Amino acid sequence: EAGVVQSPRYKIIEKKQPVAFWCNPISGHNTLYWYRQNLGQGPELLIRYENEEAVDDSQLPKDRFSAERLKGVDSTLKIQPAELGDSAVYLCASSFRDSNTDTQYFGPGTRLTVL
Amino acid sequence: GDSVTQMEGPVTLSEEACLTINCTYTATGYPSLFWYVQYPGEGLQLLLKATKADDKGSNKGFEATYRKETTSFHLEKGSVQVSDSAVYFCALSGYNQGGKLIFGQGTELSVKP
Repeated sequence: EAGVVQSPRYKIIEKKQPVAFWCNPISGHNTLYWYRQNLGQGPELLIRYENEEAVDDSQLPKDRFSAERLKGVDSTLKIQPAELGDSAVYLCASSFRDSNTDTQYFGPGTRLTVL
Repeated sequence: GDSVTQMEGPVTLSEEACLTINCTYTATGYPSLFWYVQYPGEGLQLLLKATKADDKGSNKGFEATYRKETTSFHLEKGSVQVSDSAVYFCALSGYNQGGKLIFGQGTELSVKP
């Protein structure tokens, strides 16, 4: 079974430029998560989707970040414009949410460097 | 608020030594507890989990027991290998957390031959 796929794996951009990350979850998983992991820290949730609906985006900086999950499968996370402090690893995870104990499976992440 | 605290790293051990990485948590409700591992250059992989008090999760020689009375979920392994070198994250998730994982800061383990 294929795992969570993310692209690109690495991205280097200059500040004020836009950037987008793509995620393809595990087949059949209805819940998709985007996390941000700063250097030396644990991941923190940015947004959670159940099917195509964003059910928790309270930690998403909406002035510059946006996300979508069309058709309830693939998802894209965008930053526009990027700032120096956005340098981090952006992780996508998915799960089949049928209880309060569903297990989240993570992709390899996209390492973003903003110069 | 809900939180997870792990012992600070890096932890450096010789091969075949015993490992304990401490993890304590603060949470409302009855969350599930997890250990994830992150190998260099890779994403997070689920190592083990426990869904209720006194449950023991185990995988690849690693074990952790959900201790509600001490709010702990310490990771243990009797004999570590060089290939266990990685960063280990303790996390919790449940209904009161809205399904999101709340992670500790991670503990880096380095095993020397």
